Amino acid sequence: KNEVEQSPQNLTAQEGEFITINCSYSVGISALHWLQQHPGGGIVSLFMLSSGKKKHGRLIATINIQEKHSSLHITASHPRDSAVYICAVRSETSGSRLTFGEGTQLTVNP
Amino acid sequence: EAGVAQSPRYKIIEKRQSVAFWCNPISGHATLYWYQQILGQGPKLLIQFQNNGVVDDSQLPKDRFSAERLKGVDSTLKIQPAKLEDSAVYLCASSEGWETQYFGPGTRLLVL
Repeated sequence: KNEVEQSPQNLTAQEGEFITINCSYSVGISALHWLQQHPGGGIVSLFMLSSGKKKHGRLIATINIQEKHSSLHITASHPRDSAVYICAVRSETSGSRLTFGEGTQLTVNP
Repeated sequence: EAGVAQSPRYKIIEKRQSVAFWCNPISGHATLYWYQQILGQGPKLLIQFQNNGVVDDSQLPKDRFSAERLKGVDSTLKIQPAKLEDSAVYLCASSEGWETQYFGPGTRLLVL
């Protein structure tokens, strides 16, 4: 079992829909990252969380430390949001090493 | 501010050949990471440098992979000899401390 599990693996939505991507992890963590990867492009860091909730534009990230679970929400989704969204955790014992989930491929159709 | 630079962007080689990738991190970033991302999977850390010293290379296949970061700035990752299963995107990232990592565009390697 991977230390970081994401669901769903693939998600297709219509423009304007509210989207949720989930991330569960099995180790104690010091931080959790949500990253975005466009086809052919590099990876962009969206959020770093250690507790609570963060919001940036149409993106919202939440984390529940007790349940070892985080969600990434996209409101009013747009085709340009189509990308792979990756959850990564920094465990309490790994120093700065990140362990990555396998990513969620999001496609938003116009 | 310039981002993390990597070259080449694409490389196609035959198995058993050698290949090298180059990374120039963001100026002032002490920590540099090399990741391997196989299609459909998340990135996997190969090696982490703090300045020119190795912090973590536990997942680096040392029989064929090597990396160096001379002078604590640029870094090169080498594969010798390459195998089919090395086909992947090789990502370089850098960070100032242990917080946000900034990723380069990656080098796509195809081993035939």
